[in-house]
Amino acid sequence: GEDVEQSLFLSVREGDSSVINCTYTDSSSTYLYWYKQEPGAGLQLLTYIFSNMDMKQDQRLTVLLNKKDKHLSLRIADTQTGDSAIYFCAESPPDGYNKLIFGAGTRLAVHP
Amino acid sequence: EAGVAQSPRYKIIEKRQSVAFWCNPISGHATLYWYQQILGQGPKLLIQFQNNGVVDDSQLPKDRFSAERLKGVDSTLKIQPAKLEDSAVYLCASSWGLAGENEQYFGPGTRLTVT
Repeated sequence: GEDVEQSLFLSVREGDSSVINCTYTDSSSTYLYWYKQEPGAGLQLLTYIFSNMDMKQDQRLTVLLNKKDKHLSLRIADTQTGDSAIYFCAESPPDGYNKLIFGAGTRLAVHP
Repeated sequence: EAGVAQSPRYKIIEKRQSVAFWCNPISGHATLYWYQQILGQGPKLLIQFQNNGVVDDSQLPKDRFSAERLKGVDSTLKIQPAKLEDSAVYLCASSWGLAGENEQYFGPGTRLTVT
């Protein structure tokens, strides 16, 4: 089956690291993604990881993938107020159609 | 490079009325997607086009929703008649192709309120 689960809310202090977690159920998903949605805006792709990778780092973002546990995480280093948004985890089943299955999103609130 | 354009940005209608949304994808993008995002949930794919052909419409409520992509560029999504549970943001996205590494670019969405 296809299902992506995320915790709904995370609050962090400015300058700290944020870790947003996600679990998925389709072990054959080829790609896993993190999208960011700011109020009133569409979704913006932050990063993605191919299923044969364990980790991917891109500036302040680190993605960790544990295929055995079907667990994906996004770490944001030195979190800033501009990082406040909803973060969506998504998986792409290997049907070749680039379809995305999204989680419900984690609202990240950054406070001074 | 211009992004994905959608109109209108907001629409309020009464139940049983009809409504249509328009999407203009990024130039050259062959694949176009319509998603429904209900408040508090992640986007759910309604329909996916490759050029002007339908790739996946398994989640589209075909008794009331229809979509077309004539000439493989712009697309319209229609709801007729609307129900209260159709209140959501309708997001259009486009990508170069079907491969997983092809980023989907999202438009700002159309917020529909059905009263």
